[in-house]
Amino acid sequence: DAGVTQSPTHLIKTRGQHVTLRCSPISGHKSVSWYQQVLGQGPQFIFQYYEKEERGRGNFPDRFSARQFPNYSSELNVNALLLGDSALYLCASSAYGGSGNTIYFGEGSWLTVV
Amino acid sequence: QKEVEQDPGPLSVPEGAIVSLNCTYSNSAFQYFMWYRQYSRKGPELLMYTYSSGNKEDGRFTAQVDKSSKYISLFIRDSQPSDSATYLCAQRLVGNEKLTFGTGTRLTIIP
Repeated sequence: DAGVTQSPTHLIKTRGQHVTLRCSPISGHKSVSWYQQVLGQGPQFIFQYYEKEERGRGNFPDRFSARQFPNYSSELNVNALLLGDSALYLCASSAYGGSGNTIYFGEGSWLTVV
Repeated sequence: QKEVEQDPGPLSVPEGAIVSLNCTYSNSAFQYFMWYRQYSRKGPELLMYTYSSGNKEDGRFTAQVDKSSKYISLFIRDSQPSDSATYLCAQRLVGNEKLTFGTGTRLTIIP
């Protein structure tokens, strides 16, 4: 079975541009979360979506937005890119079925802002 | 104060040694404790998942949670060069999907 898949794997953008990152969860998983991992740091929670509704939001500016589609895939959008947005963006999925559900991560999308 | 503190290392040990990795946390409401392994330029991979206090063993890996001291540990026995990676501790609340990670400890096993 396919794991969490993310695209693109690498991309380079210029300051001020916009970027869209995509994620497909594990088949049967209805919850998708997004994390930002800056080099040398642990992942930081950005958003969680379940059944197309936002269920959690981390401490990130309004330039960051996300959505979840009926097939449970998700997009993360970042507007007005800053150099500090350069990071590994990770998508995670879970079944969200109750206590102990495991959260699985994808390989991430490497974003470089120049 | 960060919610989760983890020594970033780097930590280098000889092959076959026992490795001890640790985290402390400040939020006593955390109930689920995890260890993820992350190879260079890859996504985190779940190693161990523990609910509340106690020990859990899986092969060469043992996870310990001491909620009274807010301290979690991961032990790796008979360490192998393939264990060289960054190890991330993470915590979450009951009914909450948000994971709170430590900084990660970079581990190198020397053949």
